[in-house]
Amino acid sequence: AQSVTQLGSHVSVSEGALVLLRCNYSSSVPPYLFWYVQYPNQGLQLLLKYTSAATLVKGINGFEAEFKKSETSFHLTKPSAHMSDAAEYFCAVSDPGNFNKFYFGSGTKLNVKP
Amino acid sequence: EAQVTQNPRYLITVTGKKLTVTCSQNMNHEYMSWYRQDPGLGLRQIYYSMNVEVTDKGDVPEGYKVSRKEKRNFPLILESPSPNQTSLYFCASSLESGNQPQHFGDGTRLSIL
Repeated sequence: AQSVTQLGSHVSVSEGALVLLRCNYSSSVPPYLFWYVQYPNQGLQLLLKYTSAATLVKGINGFEAEFKKSETSFHLTKPSAHMSDAAEYFCAVSDPGNFNKFYFGSGTKLNVKP
Repeated sequence: EAQVTQNPRYLITVTGKKLTVTCSQNMNHEYMSWYRQDPGLGLRQIYYSMNVEVTDKGDVPEGYKVSRKEKRNFPLILESPSPNQTSLYFCASSLESGNQPQHFGDGTRLSIL
């Protein structure tokens, strides 16, 4: 089974500050990688995905993530946080041997201070 | 409007009483899957279905059953629920198998006493 580690269960930033949410995966074969956002009492929404094309992936709402094979990382960033970014963020990977199986990290709750 | 609809949204029940959580999508998606979300563990995949009559186990299938008799529906069945199945459950769909989950339902919160 794949393993996804999200460092920091809670991250707090000020409005306008850089957002950096960390994700590391445990596969020797690069999987497909994804970031999702979950707002309270809702299902998950896909922010962006990496599927072996460009290593810098741009998503919705100004977020982007960079795939670094040497570091087995896929960190999510946004240059300037907005109050509406407050939510829980999940990193996920597909199983390189079975693209129908997915593994999620434990999530990072982002708090944005005014 | 593209939707994944789960019912019920909330359920409190007792150990051993069979229950079914329904999931329906209106996008003609081939791939559907079920997840449970627990604090500190993120989402874990229970079962997935690549198309009608084609289902397979995810990471945590024990204690659950699924069926896919129609393309739009993918019910999750707990034949003999136990307290350790108390969780928040999500159904998701995507256009084709091999695609990441694209649309999620709003979740079903199950409490098994």
